[in-house]
Amino acid sequence: DSGVTQTPKHLITATGQRVTLRCSPRSGDLSVYWYQQSLDQGLQFLIHYYNGEERAKGNILERFSAQQFPDLHSELNLSSLELGDSALYFCASRDGTSGRADTQYFGPGTRLTVL
Amino acid sequence: GQNIDQPTEMTATEGAIVQINCTYQTSGFNGLFWYQQHAGEAPTFLSYNVLDGLEEKGRFSSFLSRSKGYSYLLLKELQMKDSASYLCASGDSNYQLIWGAGTKLIIKP
Repeated sequence: DSGVTQTPKHLITATGQRVTLRCSPRSGDLSVYWYQQSLDQGLQFLIHYYNGEERAKGNILERFSAQQFPDLHSELNLSSLELGDSALYFCASRDGTSGRADTQYFGPGTRLTVL
Repeated sequence: GQNIDQPTEMTATEGAIVQINCTYQTSGFNGLFWYQQHAGEAPTFLSYNVLDGLEEKGRFSSFLSRSKGYSYLLLKELQMKDSASYLCASGDSNYQLIWGAGTKLIIKP
């Protein structure tokens, strides 16, 4: 158990809908990263938050947005869903205070299926 | 630019040794990570190298050559449960990880 939690574990929805994925980082971790992994594909970096502020964006679609709240949990919002958005969505957290490349610890993921 | 290359797939025999190579080009290089990912599961951390040389952890070892932009993961005494994807990732100066596409390791009895 990495200490990172994600809900829900599975999500099935229809095209055009909007969903929210939730992530709670490890206790004390300030950084949260979101990744998308389509079937048999590599990890695609979406966005990084540090202590409530957006730090970096990857290949995140305009239909997707995220935020990190004062209690450090994060939410990833996906709207106007398309079939191609079906994927595993992972959240990862890291300490972020030591000034070096700390290990990222991954949550179990949310499997999104868009029908 | 930033780039990570690793083989797409490798096959090895139970009980044998396998070496998975990774080459990287990363601005502001800040360390090299290896993760293991079983199908449908989350990646789990295996190793981190920031200095040149070999780091050994039980059956798994990881090597780094910064001058060559090269790393490898060595798995000894292979077990069927080692069948998984192995992800190489390099850290950059902004504390982001640049991920390789992963190497799918197939273990045969």
